[in-house]
Amino acid sequence: DAGVTQSPTHLIKTRGQQVTLRCSPISGHKSVSWYQQVLGQGPQFIFQYYEKEERGRGNFPDRFSARQFPNYSSELNVNALLLGDSALYLCASSLSPSVNTEAFFGQGTRLTVV
Amino acid sequence: QKEVEQDPGPLSVPEGAIVSLNCTYSNSAFQYFMWYRQYSRKGPELLMYTYSSGNKEDGRFTAQVDKSSKYISLFIRDSQPSDSATYLCAMSGYDYKLSFGAGTTVTVRA
Repeated sequence: DAGVTQSPTHLIKTRGQQVTLRCSPISGHKSVSWYQQVLGQGPQFIFQYYEKEERGRGNFPDRFSARQFPNYSSELNVNALLLGDSALYLCASSLSPSVNTEAFFGQGTRLTVV
Repeated sequence: QKEVEQDPGPLSVPEGAIVSLNCTYSNSAFQYFMWYRQYSRKGPELLMYTYSSGNKEDGRFTAQVDKSSKYISLFIRDSQPSDSATYLCAMSGYDYKLSFGAGTTVTVRA
């Protein structure tokens, strides 16, 4: 079985631009969560989606948004990029939204804002 | 004060040594305690988890949770160069999000 897949793996954007990151969960997993990992820090929770509905949101500005599609894949959008948005963005999938011990992470998308 | 505190290290040990990692936390609602391993430029990989207090052993890895002290530990016995990575502790309650420590970078010298 394929694991969690994220695309693209790397990208470089300019301040003020918008970016869309994509995530495909493990087959059968209906919950997708997004995390931001700044260099030298642990991942910080951004969103969780389950059955196409937002179940939780972390302490991030409204420039960050996400959605989940009928096939359970997900997109994370960030508008008006700032230099501080440079980070590794991780997607995690799980069978249900509350079984955090079974969350599997993708390899991440490394975003650099210049 | 951060919800989860973890010494970032770095920690360097000779091959075969015992690696000792730990985290402290402040949120009494945490019930699940996890350790992830993250290699450079990769996503975190779950090593093991513990529910509530107690010990759990899996091969060379032992996880301990002391909820009364809000302190968790991970021990790696007979460490190998392939164990060189960043180790992240993570915790959650009965909800949807994981709260991570900053990660400890470990190097096992051959």
